[in-house]
Amino acid sequence: DGGITQSPKYLFRKEGQNVTLSCEQNLNHDAMYWYRQDPGQGLRLIYYSQIVNDFQKGDIAEGYSVSREKKESFPLTVTSAQKNPTAFYLCASVTRTNTGELFFGEGSRLTVL
Amino acid sequence: GENVEQHPSTLSVQEGDSAVIKCTYSDSASNYFPWYKQELGKRPQLIIDIRSNVGEKKDQRIAVTLNKTAKHFSLHITETQPEDSAVYFCAASPSGGYQKVTFGIGTKLQVIP
Repeated sequence: DGGITQSPKYLFRKEGQNVTLSCEQNLNHDAMYWYRQDPGQGLRLIYYSQIVNDFQKGDIAEGYSVSREKKESFPLTVTSAQKNPTAFYLCASVTRTNTGELFFGEGSRLTVL
Repeated sequence: GENVEQHPSTLSVQEGDSAVIKCTYSDSASNYFPWYKQELGKRPQLIIDIRSNVGEKKDQRIAVTLNKTAKHFSLHITETQPEDSAVYFCAASPSGGYQKVTFGIGTKLQVIP
């Protein structure tokens, strides 16, 4: 089955620790995105990448880092510099040739204790 | 950068009535406007989209209208059903979803049987 896989689904970490969320897609999509979802704030863009080895900051990139070494993978690291990391994180991808539809993963819920 | 405002944040309608959700955007370069539906505990999924060369688009009980001059677009759901209950997000993007996609805060729609 083609799709986007995010892992882990739930993650608990202590304050001050870096955390890496995985996002893998086998859809052969070019662009990949990371969004953060908080109640009442919608989906806010953290980072996006249109091609391998290139990525752009979104609206709330501070305290986060990403890499895009392979087309299929776009991991997100939540660093200790992120002041309020507890949230639901969604990864998405889109192919350059399709209508523009974002395909989302099932999300990762991070709780920092 | 782009700013998408969405209202109302919550909406309750009786089954069979219509529901309207409105969004405004700020960047005149945006020309792709998708709508996503997120059911409880699930990932957002595209339900309809419209491009700036079109004023209205319909798909069964769902329609979207776009006024590019006023920079606003709306989602219309007719003959609402309980399964329409979900959070709906509008979004805006230049040249399709391959580029930066900015979302509104979401509207929680409740359809009362």
